[in-house]
Amino acid sequence: RKEVEQDPGPFNVPEGATVAFNCTYSNSASQSFFWYRQDCRKEPKLLMSVYSSGNEDGRFTAQLNRASQYISLLIRDSKLSDSATYLCVVNGDTGFQKLVFGTGTRLLVSP
Amino acid sequence: ETGVTQTPRHLVMGMTNKKSLKCEQHLGHNAMYWYKQSAKKPLELMFVYNFKEQTENNSVPSRFSPECPNSSHLFLHLHTLQPEDSALYLCASSYKLGPTGAYGYTFGSGTRLTVV
Repeated sequence: RKEVEQDPGPFNVPEGATVAFNCTYSNSASQSFFWYRQDCRKEPKLLMSVYSSGNEDGRFTAQLNRASQYISLLIRDSKLSDSATYLCVVNGDTGFQKLVFGTGTRLLVSP
Repeated sequence: ETGVTQTPRHLVMGMTNKKSLKCEQHLGHNAMYWYKQSAKKPLELMFVYNFKEQTENNSVPSRFSPECPNSSHLFLHLHTLQPEDSALYLCASSYKLGPTGAYGYTFGSGTRLTVV
């Protein structure tokens, strides 16, 4: 079983749509959870951390379900500039510094 | 610029060549990493350095040899690579996000390596 599993997509949505991505992780001891964004042929960049109580940053909402080992990202009112690959990330079993990445979910927002 | 600088951006090398990738950060971060990103695969952790000491080698073949002379510089020396080693090699450094103990990564732009 992969440590972090994501649907690779692509998700094709029109501008203004709401889209949700899901992710599951296998290490029940994981303590840190993140979403990173990676544009085509660029490096990954931190989008947001994911907290147990859920958190929001503008149009982006992240949720964590520790019991199900499940993380989600909701994007409201999609923009063309949201087109990218979204990487689900958790800390590895050797501590907070080691991060384990999912393969990513590709989002394409069209006019 | 992200604060983590990688050179070169692109590299084409033959299987018998020796080359080195360089990574530099002046963000004051104490941990640095090498990751490999191949098509349709997740980022694979290769090496971790903490205060310039190697703390993790993720079963990487010996044809990849890291070097960390100080906490701002990281190298990846390459020799006798195989075509399947062609990938994007990303360097990152990490910093504490807050009191929770979680760490965030700053990535360099990567070196796109092609082995011919």
